[in-house]
Amino acid sequence: EVHLVQSGAEVKKPGESLIISCQGSGYNFANYWIGWVRQMPGKGLEWMGIVYPDNTNYNPSFQGHVTMSVDNSKSTAYLHWSSLKASDTAIYYCVRHMGAATAGLDNWGQGTLVTVSS
Amino acid sequence: IQLTQSASSLSASVGDRVTITCRASQTVNHYLNWYQQRPGKAPKLLIYGAFSLESGVPSRFSGSGSGTDYTLTITSLQPEDVATYFCHQTYSAVWTFGPGTKVEI
Repeated sequence: EVHLVQSGAEVKKPGESLIISCQGSGYNFANYWIGWVRQMPGKGLEWMGIVYPDNTNYNPSFQGHVTMSVDNSKSTAYLHWSSLKASDTAIYYCVRHMGAATAGLDNWGQGTLVTVSS
Repeated sequence: IQLTQSASSLSASVGDRVTITCRASQTVNHYLNWYQQRPGKAPKLLIYGAFSLESGVPSRFSGSGSGTDYTLTITSLQPEDVATYFCHQTYSAVWTFGPGTKVEI
């Protein structure tokens, strides 16, 4: 069975750095793309970007503020902030995409709640 | 590409046929997916490629549409279908989600 398991909730201060993770199991991790979706409190879904085999496609709204990466040897994807803002408070979901043209995001992590507050 | 959904919320009775529409600001050429998010849970893929039912999803869910206009239909609403439904396009380089439609009973 496919699972994406994310790291636990985080409470940080503005300006701090943070890395959250997403570990895949039950499938060949390297054969799928991993992306990230933000959901601010009480709001809808926002696509942040996706890591392809040879590059990363960021939503311009997030580019320069976050860095996405994967380590196929660990079947793990990462989302990194170098300097958090209060407006980064949200649930972050990692998602799997098989790379086919009309495929959807067929598996989601459980979400990581990030709270940024002074 | 911006996605709009016909209603932010709707209320229906158990057994009703429910239709949720999603309109794109330009064609998405069937690169349109639907997700269900139950309260406090991660979203779940229901429909991909506009009309293909994801494995394990009940057959009362179906998708249709083309060009800029797409529809998610629940043929007989069940209590467990209380959720918010989002459309999502992967046609453009910047993928986007619709704002969501909350379905209540």
